[in-house]
Parts: sequence; C-alpha cells; structure tokens
Amino acid sequence: DSGVTQTPKHLITATGQRVTLRCSPRSGDLSVYWYQQSLDQGLQFLIQYYNGEERAKGNILERFSAQQFPDLHSELNLSSLELGDSALYFCASSVEGPTNQYFGPGTRLLVL
Amino acid sequence: QQQVKQSPQSLIVQKGGISIINCAYENTAFDYFPWYQQFPGKGPALLIAIRPDVSEKKEGRFTISFNKSAKQFSLHIMDSQPGDSATYFCAASESKAAGNKLTFGGGTRVLVKP
Repeated sequence: DSGVTQTPKHLITATGQRVTLRCSPRSGDLSVYWYQQSLDQGLQFLIQYYNGEERAKGNILERFSAQQFPDLHSELNLSSLELGDSALYFCASSVEGPTNQYFGPGTRLLVL
Repeated sequence: QQQVKQSPQSLIVQKGGISIINCAYENTAFDYFPWYQQFPGKGPALLIAIRPDVSEKKEGRFTISFNKSAKQFSLHIMDSQPGDSATYFCAASESKAAGNKLTFGGGTRVLVKP
C-alpha cells in the first residue's frame, strides 16, 4: 500500500459525458501527478500540481483539467469523453523536489 | 517522441535465473532513473532508483546498472521467483526542469516459470 488513495476504482460512462477522478496523496506529500496508462500509449504524464498550483503539463488534452485543493487532494476532470479516453488513470505523489513518486491503485475508465 | 526505450517487451525466465531489462534514453538532462513494478490491476510500485553519479545500486535481489556515457541503464533481477512475474517499467526525470514528471519506457512483461 503506497498511501495514495484514488476513487472510484472503476468508472463506466458513455461518450460525451463528464467524469471526475479523485486522488488523496500520501500524508506530507505536496506534489500530485496524474498519469494515463493505455495499451497503445503506455504510461503518459498528464499534469502535476504542487501545493495547489500547477507545476508542469504533459500530453493533457484540452478536454481534461485538474486542480489541487487546500487539503492537497486533487481531482482530474475529463469531459466530452471519447472512446479513446478509456484507460487507467493513476495519481502519484511525492514530497518537494526530484524524489520518489508513489502511485495510487488507479481508476479504470471505460467509455462506451 | 519516445525518450526512453525499453527492451525486451517480454521475457520468460526459469525460477532461480536472472532477468535482465535494458533501457536507453536520449535526453542528457535526465538525472533520476527509477524502476517500477506493476502487477495486473495494480498501480506501479517503486522498486529501486539510481542517480547518474552512481554506476550500480543493489537492493536485495534487484540491481540497477548505469552507463552514463552510453545513456543506458538496466535492471537485473537475481534468483528470479514466480512472485516476480509482473510488468517492469524504467523511467527517467530531470530535476532541473519545472516539475519532476516521469518519462516511462514501454514496459517489459516478465514471466518466471517454476
């Protein structure tokens, strides 16, 4: 158990819909990262927040957005969902600086 | 653009044997190289990590070898056990860039036969 929690574990929705994925980092970690894992693209970095502020952006679609709240939990919002958005979405957390990132159990999203 | 290339895609090893996974990177600014282990339906779990000022790091049966001039690093799993059957990912990040995103290799599926 990494100490990172993610909800929900599974999500099934339809194309065009909007969903919100939630992540709670390890106690004491200020950075939260979101990654997408799909069969064809592998593990891809989406976005990072540090203490409530966006720190870095990766290959994140404009339909996707994220935020980190004062209690340090983070939410990833996916809108206008397409079939290709079906994937595993992982959250990871770390303390400040280039240190180890610890991953949560992921949310499996299926868009039908 | 795949900045971290991982090979092989899969490998089968007998119990007690050595599993070797190789990774090569292009970005010379990378300065932190972790390895993750992932079981089906689970999140990646940090296994071991190395920085380029060290050529080798060992933790239990897992060893990372690092060759800075060749821009390559590898994971050796000694005395492989059936419980080691999983997908292994190498990754890299650059500490001086904004944020510390990890760039992952494509993964290696390891099967250890009893």
